[in-house]
Parts: sequence; C-alpha cells; structure tokens
Amino acid sequence: EIVLTQSPDFQSVSPKESVTITCRASQSVGIHLHWYQQKPGQSPKLLIKYASQSMSGVPSRFSGSGSGTDFTLTINSLEAEDAATYYCLQSSSSWTFGQGTKVEIK
Amino acid sequence: QVQLVQSGAEVKKPGSSVKVSCRASGGTLGDSTFLWVRQAPGQGLEWMGRIVPILDIANSARRFQGRVTITADKSAGTVYLEMTNLKSEDTAMYYCARTSLLDIWGQGTMVTVSS
Repeated sequence: EIVLTQSPDFQSVSPKESVTITCRASQSVGIHLHWYQQKPGQSPKLLIKYASQSMSGVPSRFSGSGSGTDFTLTINSLEAEDAATYYCLQSSSSWTFGQGTKVEIK
Repeated sequence: QVQLVQSGAEVKKPGSSVKVSCRASGGTLGDSTFLWVRQAPGQGLEWMGRIVPILDIANSARRFQGRVTITADKSAGTVYLEMTNLKSEDTAMYYCARTSLLDIWGQGTMVTVSS
C-alpha cells in the first residue's frame, strides 16, 4: 500500500501570507496525486488534479506541483475563506489519502 | 451537473449491519467509477472501496475485506455500501464520491455505532 505523508500537520498563517503543504509518497505515483480542501461540516472538494491541474472555479491562488514521490500545494495570498484541512490523495495504486494539514488563519 | 444524494443518518448496535445508499441525480450511473470514503470524528479520510457499475466490478480496501460489500442498482442509479459486524470504531461519516478523481462527493451519511 502506498503511504502518503503530509507536512506540516498544522499551520497558522496570517491573511495575505503564503502556505506550502507537502505530500510525500512511499513510492512513485507519477502524477496521480490530487489535492482536496475540506471545511468543517462539509464534504471534501477537489482543488487540484494530476498534481498541477486546477479544477474549474478554483481561485488562481491555489497551485500544485511535483511528480513521482514529492508534491506541493501552495496557497498564495491566503484569504480567510481558505481556513480548512487539506488532503492529498494518490490514485496510482488503489487510493490512499495523506493524513491532512489543517490551515488556520491568524 | 451530477449530484450524489446519500441516505440519512443511522444509529446501530455493535455487531449489526448497515447499508448506506448513494443516488446519482438524473438517475444514471453512466460509465463512472464510484468510491466510498469514511471519516471518523475529528480524523482524516480513509478510502474503503470502489465499484464500476457498468463493468460489475467492485473491490474494497484490504482492511475492510470480508466486512464491506459494495453494490449498484443501475436501474435506480444508486450505489450501496454495506458493512457488517459493526464496531464502535466504525462510527464515522461515510461519503460516496464519483470517478477515480473523486470530483463529486455526496453530502455524507453519519453512522453511529453504540450500545
């Protein structure tokens, strides 16, 4: 089973600052790595597919990069509405999620 | 756009079974894959299994094999997750999601297992 490890587990950031979340896979997943945002009481929402492709309607401040085993989700110029938990997911071999990164707005 | 509508919350006793449904609006499952994901209170997301109704293929994650059955009723546009021998640790929100990208999610079904 492919294990995904996210870092950090928690980050507290001021508005307009940037956030970088990393996701490391225990073996190569190519670009079959996707990012989700989950706000309290809501279902997760797909932000980025195949490592770097933004979903329609997702603000341009969200971007993804990486391939193989190392991936990054960057949120530029953080807004209050970005407070959420972010998960990576690999779909290269079955599916596994990272443990999540909670982003808090100071 | 397709929406996934799940059945309502359930409260079950330990050792019992639960069956959660997920209906695609428009009544058709098409050629999509559907996945089930659960989330225990305050915890992360966990993939449970998937079904490809058009191919009649279903499988579950290793840790759920033997306890989880995923089925579909194509005529009703609905997929199902059945879990047996429930334990308190199975208390969680259960989500269905569409395609291998999980691009569309249901609203979730809370299953509480308590004596």
